[in-house]
Amino acid sequence: QKEVEQNSGPLSVPEGAIASLNCTYSDRGSQSFFWYRQYSGKSPELIMSIYSNGDKEDGRFTAQLNKASQYVSLLIRDSQPSDSATYLCAVKGFASYDKVIFGPGTSLSVIP
Amino acid sequence: GAVVSQHPSWVICKSGTSVKIECRSLDFQATTMFWYRQFPKQSLMLMATSNEGSKATYEQGVEKDKFLINHASLTLSTLTVTSAHPEDSSFYICSARDPLQGAGNQPQHFGDGTRLSIL
Repeated sequence: QKEVEQNSGPLSVPEGAIASLNCTYSDRGSQSFFWYRQYSGKSPELIMSIYSNGDKEDGRFTAQLNKASQYVSLLIRDSQPSDSATYLCAVKGFASYDKVIFGPGTSLSVIP
Repeated sequence: GAVVSQHPSWVICKSGTSVKIECRSLDFQATTMFWYRQFPKQSLMLMATSNEGSKATYEQGVEKDKFLINHASLTLSTLTVTSAHPEDSSFYICSARDPLQGAGNQPQHFGDGTRLSIL
């Protein structure tokens, strides 16, 4: 069974700090990796997609992928209270019929 | 781009009522859409994969006669919760992928979700 694991948290960081969110996955054939943010009572919204090993930066967000270690992370620099949400890691194989497997999410709280 | 619209946002109805939820891809054609359910403080649970022009594929444990899915066009999928009961109260979310964003690896985009409360 393909699995995606995340620490459930809550992860608390002070405003302005770097928040580090981690995710591991079991399927070595996974090719596509996504981070979603979900505010309480809302649906998930896509933050980042990453497909190759290494870092990918978009504004305050950096996704890091290490396929050999089956590990993907999300760094949020200069964390703001508005970043407080649950962050979902999602993983998918290459084939179009492969399902996206979501992790349970990590709850992040940014303290002013 | 890749906007998914879901309607209604909220439904409150009596036990025994059937409820229809619509999911539309607004700026792309989606041959496949996905229906999820999420209980408070729990993770997303995939219920079924909706396929345009064919039968939906249901996940294990999801009653296909209870949760009817119709995907009659490339931009619309509907989920009907039949004879809903209080235990069906949940947050239902649809999603879709834009096939033009890259074969096999495009991300899913979510609708805003429908909060269903059965009294």
